[in-house]
Amino acid sequence: GDSVTQMEGPVTLSEEAFLTINCTYTATGYPSLFWYVQYPGEGLQLLLKATKADDKGSNKGFEATYRKETTSFHLEKGSVQVSDSAVYFCALRGTTDSWGKFQFGAGTQVVVTP
Amino acid sequence: EAQVTQNPRYLITVTGKKLTVTCSQNMNHEYMSWYRQDPGLGLRQIYYSMNVEVTDKGDVPEGYKVSRKEKRNFPLILESPSPNQTSLYFCASSLKQGANYGYTFGSGTRLTVV
Repeated sequence: GDSVTQMEGPVTLSEEAFLTINCTYTATGYPSLFWYVQYPGEGLQLLLKATKADDKGSNKGFEATYRKETTSFHLEKGSVQVSDSAVYFCALRGTTDSWGKFQFGAGTQVVVTP
Repeated sequence: EAQVTQNPRYLITVTGKKLTVTCSQNMNHEYMSWYRQDPGLGLRQIYYSMNVEVTDKGDVPEGYKVSRKEKRNFPLILESPSPNQTSLYFCASSLKQGANYGYTFGSGTRLTVV
């Protein structure tokens, strides 16, 4: 079945450092890929998405490119801020196996220090 | 404001005492779903609904019930709560079931069963 694997955390960075969170997926068909962010005490918020191969999603300085050849959707930000401290979830929504069902990664906690 | 509203945010209850967590969305979304989030286990789907009067089990449905009598509401019912249902619960909705549609999440309900 469809699945998502993302790097374990916590990831600890200094302010203005470069952030990468790796995400790879297994799916049949042509899933859509998402990154969600969860700030402390809150629900998950959609950060960005990509619906087809080579699409780049971007929002709030974060970017991720849908790479079908490497089945990856890595999240990047060039210069993080303390306010980016949160848990980040990679997710896919499938088109064939368990059609329309979301699969979430385990989440990666990011801690940004001043 | 487009949102998913869950109530209550926090609930402490005793084993066996029936409870309902409400979920309401104002976006005319067809698809609604309940998840529980537990440390180390990520997000697990409890139940989902593709439209009014259409519900189905997710990955961890045991001990839960749902109903979808109106498009906007999707309550989660615990008929006889047990301590292993202590968790953080999220309701989510999307416009449709298809792969291109992302979720909007509620703010969560932290349930403790003693």
